[in-house]
Amino acid sequence: GAGVSQSPSNKVTEKGKDVELRCDPISGHTALYWYRQSLGQGLEFLIYFQGNSAPDKSGLPSDRFSAERTGGSVSTLTIQRTQQEDSAVYLCASSLMGQPSYEQYFGPGTRLTVT
Amino acid sequence: AQSVTQLDSQVPVFEEAPVELRCNYSSSVSVYLFWYVQYPNQGLQLLLKYLSGSTLVKGINGFEAEFNKSQTSFHLRKPSVHISDTAEYFCAVNSPGNTPLVFGKGTRLSVIA
Repeated sequence: GAGVSQSPSNKVTEKGKDVELRCDPISGHTALYWYRQSLGQGLEFLIYFQGNSAPDKSGLPSDRFSAERTGGSVSTLTIQRTQQEDSAVYLCASSLMGQPSYEQYFGPGTRLTVT
Repeated sequence: AQSVTQLDSQVPVFEEAPVELRCNYSSSVSVYLFWYVQYPNQGLQLLLKYLSGSTLVKGINGFEAEFNKSQTSFHLRKPSVHISDTAEYFCAVNSPGNTPLVFGKGTRLSVIA
């Protein structure tokens, strides 16, 4: 079956613009995660969804970052007024609740470059 | 809080030689442990995981890892590497339940012909 997909694969934007990154999880996966991968910081957790609610937003770096999930499926990560330090690869992962493995399946990522 | 330390940022190794990538973790609660591999311009792929039971875990592509609770380690090993194993390897930990993964900084494995 289809894996986790993310779009766009690459995004170049000017400093100060808003961007939206999309994640389509594996069908039926109720948990969804956003992570950020950057050279200096490695892989960092941003936010976690269970269904449409986000019980853990502790990783969002500032109030310029927000995310939503609709219909228990697609999620959008929005970054407002982008800054150069937002340049990174944004990874999405999904997992199936109730499974003992709790394995998270990752998408290919969106590479964001802020100029 | 949980943390993961990958002691080596880069590991060069000759083809067909054995390799060990080191991972130590810190956690005040019980943990699940994972190794992921990332090939250039791709997402993360799960190599293997430890949830409970046998401390020696076998994964894909001939990799294995051993969970050592007393040393809080989960080192990854392969007896004979191939050029195709060149990639970035990440050790990660989380707690039972759908909790976020905490990753190490990664180890870049370079296999030399």
